[in-house]
Amino acid sequence: NAGVTQTPKFQVLKTGQSMTLQCAQDMNHNSMYWYRQDPGMGLRLIYYSASEGTTDKGEVPNGYNVSRLNKREFSLRLESAAPSQTSVYFCASPEVSGQGLVGANEQFFGPGTRLTVL
Amino acid sequence: AQSVTQLDSQVPVFEEAPVELRCNYSSSVSVYLFWYVQYPNQGLQLLLKYLSGSTLVKGINGFEAEFNKSQTSFHLRKPSVHISDTAEYFCAVSGTNAGGTSYGKLTFGQGTILTVHP
Repeated sequence: NAGVTQTPKFQVLKTGQSMTLQCAQDMNHNSMYWYRQDPGMGLRLIYYSASEGTTDKGEVPNGYNVSRLNKREFSLRLESAAPSQTSVYFCASPEVSGQGLVGANEQFFGPGTRLTVL
Repeated sequence: AQSVTQLDSQVPVFEEAPVELRCNYSSSVSVYLFWYVQYPNQGLQLLLKYLSGSTLVKGINGFEAEFNKSQTSFHLRKPSVHISDTAEYFCAVSGTNAGGTSYGKLTFGQGTILTVHP
């Protein structure tokens, strides 16, 4: 049981290049999230997927696209990378609660992808 | 809309001293409150959470937090810190709307870097 995994761990891009960040969870969770972490700004939500087949914008979606490939996988794509997208990217997935208290559950985070755009 | 403010960006303390990391939130609806810890070059992991009931919540590694509704605060405390507690700590809030619907989206504070000196 690996929890939430992300690839790659590190990436350097040139401005204008594209790439896809991969995330997978083996916990059978419905929801998955992509955050970016920047110094002094905490984590900000980019996109989320409440269930397989659905995706919605978060706080900072511009410049990104996502795909919920299946229940396990949720990818984040940068079509034309910009220096402002230099950040650490985290994928997360909340545990399923039998109480039905959506929003009350622990989110499990992946180890992160450190992206630098030159 | 909801927001979280962590009042200190950095907190240096000596080993075995007590520590308090401050967190204030604003929300127009019911909230769930969380503290997460991030060790260097790792993802976030849950320290503790407040959902309802007792306002004093105990978490892992000897940490505890007190929910104060009137002051809209959720400060994190530990009576005696160790070198291994050096990390960045994030306060987060997840709200439900009037209809009780939430998708588990977390709003994070800016983070507090706790540095424990020998």
